Amino acid sequence: AQSVTQLDSQVPVFEEAPVELRCNYSSSVSVYLFWYVQYPNQGLQLLLKYLSGSTLVESINGFEAEFNKSQTSFHLRKPSVHISDTAEYFCAVSDLSTGRRALTFGSGTRLQVQP
Amino acid sequence: GAVVSQHPSWVICKSGTSVKIECRSLDFQATTMFWYRQFPKQSLMLMATSNEGSKATYEQGVEKDKFLINHASLTLSTLTVTSAHPEDSSFYICSARDWSSGTFRDNEQFFGPGTRLTVL
Repeated sequence: AQSVTQLDSQVPVFEEAPVELRCNYSSSVSVYLFWYVQYPNQGLQLLLKYLSGSTLVESINGFEAEFNKSQTSFHLRKPSVHISDTAEYFCAVSDLSTGRRALTFGSGTRLQVQP
Repeated sequence: GAVVSQHPSWVICKSGTSVKIECRSLDFQATTMFWYRQFPKQSLMLMATSNEGSKATYEQGVEKDKFLINHASLTLSTLTVTSAHPEDSSFYICSARDWSSGTFRDNEQFFGPGTRLTVL
């Protein structure tokens, strides 16, 4: 079964500093990869996704993630964070071999941007 | 487009009662919906896959008789927590896949805003 590891439960960072949130998944079979953001007491919002093609994917608000098949990683990065980026970030994997397309989520990383 | 709603957004009930949570796809058809549960400061755990017109598929360890799922139309799935107990208190989130075009759009799941259940 697929598993997703987000090593950092919390990442404190100062405003305008760069940040990287790490995500590794267990299986090297064909997968779709996603990053979701969750604000307090709200549902999940898709930040970005990798389905195929270019291994570097970007979101409209400055985040990017790079799919690394050999390292089974999909780390999320932003060169300069804002206070408004404070939220919980979840990495998720859809294992194409199962056919169900259900998502397996990592444990989440709380990004805390400080002024 | 691709909006998913949940009702209610929060509910408080007494132990032993049943609670129904609705998940609706507002502007697309969803043959498949997923139900997740999220405990405080934890990740989302898949409970079951809801398929329109057929029985739901439950994950290991999830009691199908306790968490009743009905997906009677292409836009509505319901989760009923029967005989709820305090340990069922959680944040329940549904997601749906867009089947409107005859294929699943963008291989993406669209999430509802969640329902916070508190059982006293």
